[in-house]
Amino acid sequence: NAGVTQTPKFQVLKTGQSMTLQCAQDMNHEYMSWYRQDPGMGLRLIHYSVGAGITDQGEVPNGYNVSRSTTEDFPLRLLSAAPSQTSVYFCASSVSSYEQYFGPGTRLTVT
Amino acid sequence: TQLLEQSPQFLSIQEGENLTVYCNSSSVFSSLQWYRQEPGEGPVLLVTVVTGGEVKKLKRLTFQFGDARKDSSLHITAAQPGDTGLYLCAGGKLIFGQGTELSVKP
Repeated sequence: NAGVTQTPKFQVLKTGQSMTLQCAQDMNHEYMSWYRQDPGMGLRLIHYSVGAGITDQGEVPNGYNVSRSTTEDFPLRLLSAAPSQTSVYFCASSVSSYEQYFGPGTRLTVT
Repeated sequence: TQLLEQSPQFLSIQEGENLTVYCNSSSVFSSLQWYRQEPGEGPVLLVTVVTGGEVKKLKRLTFQFGDARKDSSLHITAAQPGDTGLYLCAGGKLIFGQGTELSVKP
C-alpha cells in the first residue's frame, strides 16, 4: 500500500495563478481532509470530505475549492493564488474523523 | 467552537531528562489523538485515548486523558535525540493544537 500520496512535493506560483494539489489514498478510507501548516499554528483544516460526493468547509476554506468524485482522490484547487497561501499543505485520510494518515505534504510558495 | 491549546510551545532539553507536554481545552472530547511530526514529513499517529482517566504507554512515552475528557498529557521519560520533533494533539472535528516543538540535545 502506498498510503496517502501527494503531488507535487514543491510548487512556486505567481500571484493570481491557479493550480491543483493532488491527493490520493489506497486504503479505502471514507474520510479525507486538507490542512495547511504555518509556523506556530499547528494544522488548520481547509476542507474535508466524509465520502465520495460529500465535502464541507473547515476553519480556513476561503480561496480553496475541493471535490470528491471517487473514494480515492481528493484534489485541492487554488483558484487565484495569493502570497497568504504560502504554506505547507497536508492531505489526510481516515476511517472516521479520528486516527488520520497523512501524506508527505506539498510546500507551496506564492510570489 | 472547540479549541485545543498545547503547552509549552517550545521545549529544549538535554538527553536523559524527563518532560511533559500538555493539551488543554474547555470542551469535552470523545477522544484525543497524539501525533509526532518530523521535519519535512507528515504527522504520524502515536496514540488515541478514549476513556476519561485512561493511561497508555508507548515505550518511554506515557499518555493520559483527563478524567473530564477535556485535557491530555504526554510524558517522555529519559528523552533521546530521536524524540526530537513536533508533537501535536488532535480531537473532535479534525481539530489540532498548535503543537509543541521538542528538541533533545545529546
